Formats: sequence, C-alpha cells, structure tokens
Amino acid sequence: AQSVTQLDSQVPVFEEAPVELRCNYSSSVSVYLFWYVQYPNQGLQLLLKYLSGSTLVESINGFEAEFNKSQTSFHLRKPSVHISDTAEYFCAVIPLSGGGADGLTFGKGTHLIIQP
Amino acid sequence: SQTIHQWPATLVQPVGSPLSLECTVEGTSNPNLYWYRQAAGRGLQLLFYSVGIGQISSEVPQNLSASRPQDRQFILSSKKLLLSDSGFYLCAWSGGRYQPQHFGDGTRLSIL
Repeated sequence: AQSVTQLDSQVPVFEEAPVELRCNYSSSVSVYLFWYVQYPNQGLQLLLKYLSGSTLVESINGFEAEFNKSQTSFHLRKPSVHISDTAEYFCAVIPLSGGGADGLTFGKGTHLIIQP
Repeated sequence: SQTIHQWPATLVQPVGSPLSLECTVEGTSNPNLYWYRQAAGRGLQLLFYSVGIGQISSEVPQNLSASRPQDRQFILSSKKLLLSDSGFYLCAWSGGRYQPQHFGDGTRLSIL
C-alpha cells in the first residue's frame, strides 16, 4: 500500500514571496506522482505530473516540482506567488505495479494562503 | 476535447433518504471512472472505480454503491443516507491506470 504525507496543513505566504509545499510518500514499488490544485468549491485540476525522465517538472503557471527518489519526496515550489494562487494543493501517487486499486492515493492537502 | 459533468452541485438530504449522484464524460470512450469523497481535513478517499461497463470495484466498505450502466456514465447511490455520508463527492476519469485523472466540479452533500 502507498501513503502520502503533506507535512503542512496550511502555509501562509506574502504575495510575491517564494513558497514550497512539501510532499513525502511511502511505497514498496515505484510510483507516478501528481500535484493537483483545488480552488474553493471546485473540483481538482492537474497541476503537474512526474512519470519518468527529468526529475524536475514544471507547470504553465510557474509552479515546479522535483522528484527525489532517495528522499521519497515531490515538493512543489514557486519562486513568486500571486493572490490567485490561494487554493488547496494535493499531492498524489499511483503505484506502477503490484495490482491494487486504480485510484490515486492522496495526501490530506495543504492550504496555501497568500497574504497581500 | 474531453469534458466531465457532475450533478447536482449541491444537495441537502434528510437522514434515511436515498441518494443518486450522476457523472458523465464526453469526448472519450472506455474511460476509467472514479468516485472520491473529500471530508474536511481528511483529503480525498477513493470510494469506487470502474474500468468498464458493469465493472465496479469498491475500496471502502460503506453505505454507498456505484453503478456504470453505460460506457461514460457513473452513478453513486445509497438506499438510506447516514449523517456520516456528508461530504464533497468528486467524480473523475482517466484514459488508463497510469494516466492523469481529470475531475468534475463535485457535489457537496449535506445530511440533516
């Protein structure tokens, strides 16, 4: 079985400051990793994904995440945040083998609060 | 392009009443379909998934059931709702097990 830990339930940051949202996972097999963003009263939107290749992946709105296999982490970063980045961010994994459910295993989410 | 529709957006139901939430996908065929529940402070929990018509896998024993009567239709049901069934229910689809999942806008279910 897999598990995902998002170490911070809430992260307050001033506008235009950098931010890092932490994600660690546990799995006995290799995984694919995802970050999703949820704006208030909406569904989840895929932000970025790591499937293979370069361990640094980027999204179109300035976020990036780096897969670190040795530390089993997939932290999300942005060098300068905007008010519009205020949302809930979820890290998720799916195992590459071992059967089991087809669904994603999610962390509990991190609420990113941007302060003016 | 593919789209996913979920309805209703909000629902208030009394304890003991039945439930039917519907999800449909357009623009793709034979998608994998999922139902998740999001409870406050607990992240998302996979409830059911389906890889084809009539094929339903349940991840958590509970008061709910799911059905897939058509290729792109996924229904979440209950015969008698409990207070603990309150939450935000999300439907999602993917092109396969390892493909990213795409979510609907969710249904906020309140049980009184």
